[in-house]
Amino acid sequence: DAGITQSPRHKVTETGTPVTLRCHQTENHRYMYWYRQDPGHGLRLIHYSYGVKDTDKGEVSDGYSVSRSKTEDFLLTLESATSSQTSVYFCAISDLWLGQFFGPGTRLTVL
Amino acid sequence: ELKVEQNPLFLSMQEGKNYTIYCNYSTTSDRLYWYRQDPGKSLESLFVLLSNGAVKQEGRLMASLDTKARLSTLHITAAVHDLSATYFCASGGGADGLTFGKGTHLIIQP
Repeated sequence: DAGITQSPRHKVTETGTPVTLRCHQTENHRYMYWYRQDPGHGLRLIHYSYGVKDTDKGEVSDGYSVSRSKTEDFLLTLESATSSQTSVYFCAISDLWLGQFFGPGTRLTVL
Repeated sequence: ELKVEQNPLFLSMQEGKNYTIYCNYSTTSDRLYWYRQDPGKSLESLFVLLSNGAVKQEGRLMASLDTKARLSTLHITAAVHDLSATYFCASGGGADGLTFGKGTHLIIQP
């Protein structure tokens, strides 16, 4: 157990509303990541963080923003949700030798 | 841009048979990861391959890495139903995250 939790685990929202997903880790890892998983695409990186207030964009960052004010928390925000952002979102932390470990996921539906 | 291609994307096989999943990646990398995902669940780390020639085995699964060929394989020996899942390979592993293949959906039938 890598000590990663995500909240909420499920959310249904309407197009145009803001949504924030939270990732919390208990193991003081420096690197944290947000991925989305869609059928036929595997997992794709949205944003990542390499420390408090240090973040960068991934492959599919359009429409998403992130924040990391504490080591343990990494927030993903959809400023104005669209139906194309319906997906399963996974948070991950990185260990230099053991690779990445993933949270339980958040299933987001945008109507 | 790093690309990772898996094949096959779908595999149906019988219990007791052997099979191999292939993972090709497009740029030089010395790290390759294999994950398993059950339906509705998160990803579970199976293997971390960190250097050319690395081979790791866990039960009926064996993974190998050839960095010169940019190829990793996941070999299944004498498959059992419990191995039915989706398997992902991923490359990268630096600070800027992993690039995943699209996954191999494996069904093992009695």
